[in-house]
Amino acid sequence: DVKVTQSSRYLVKRTGEKVFLECVQDMDHENMFWYRQDPGLGLRLIYFSYDVKMKEKGDIPEGYSVSREKKERFSLILESASTNQTSMYLCASSLSEAEAFFGQGTRLTVV
Amino acid sequence: EDQVTQSPEALRLQEGESSSLNCSYTVSGLRGLFWYRQDPGKGPEFLFTLYSAGEEKEKERLKATLTKKESFLHITAPKPEDSATYLCAVREADGQNFVFGPGTRLSVLP
Repeated sequence: DVKVTQSSRYLVKRTGEKVFLECVQDMDHENMFWYRQDPGLGLRLIYFSYDVKMKEKGDIPEGYSVSREKKERFSLILESASTNQTSMYLCASSLSEAEAFFGQGTRLTVV
Repeated sequence: EDQVTQSPEALRLQEGESSSLNCSYTVSGLRGLFWYRQDPGKGPEFLFTLYSAGEEKEKERLKATLTKKESFLHITAPKPEDSATYLCAVREADGQNFVFGPGTRLSVLP
C-alpha cells in the first residue's frame, strides 16, 4: 500500500514564526502536492513538484515556499506564519496519469 | 478554465435508500477522473479512477461511471458507515495538476 506520511497531525504556532510541514512518501512517486482545505473553499493547490528540485506554483502560493531535495520528501514552508494560514494542510503524491494518495493531514493553528 | 462541480452539496439518506452523486467537469482533455472519500479531520481516501467514457468501477456498495461530461457515484443500499464527504477530481491531458470539486456531504441515517 502507498503510504504518505505528514510529520504532524496538529500544530500550533505563533504569528511570525517560520513553520515547516514535512511530507514523505514511500512509493517512488515523481509527483508531490501540497493543498490546503478550508470549509466552503474545498481543496486548493499551493505548490506541486514533478521531480526532485522542480516546483510549480499552484493557485495560492503567496506566503508559502517548498523544498524537494529528495524524491520521497516534499516540504512546505510558511515563511512568516499569519492567522489567515490557519487551515488543514494536505500532502499528496502520484505517478503521472494516475491517482493521488493523500497523507492524514496537518491541522495548523496560528495564534 | 478547467472546472469541476458536484451535486448535490449535501444528501441525507435512510439506511438502505440507494442514490447517486454527480460530478460534472469541463477540461481540455481528460487524463483521468478520480473519486475520493473523506472523513472529518482526515485526508481523502482514494476510491476509483476512470479514464474513458463508458468505463465503470465497483467496490462494495459503490459504483462509479463516466461519460464525456460527467461521472456518477452510485451508492446501493448505503449503511451509516458510508457517511462522509465524497470528492471528485480530474486531471487534464496536458497538465500535472488535479482539479477538485467542492464535494458532496453524505449522511446515512440508521
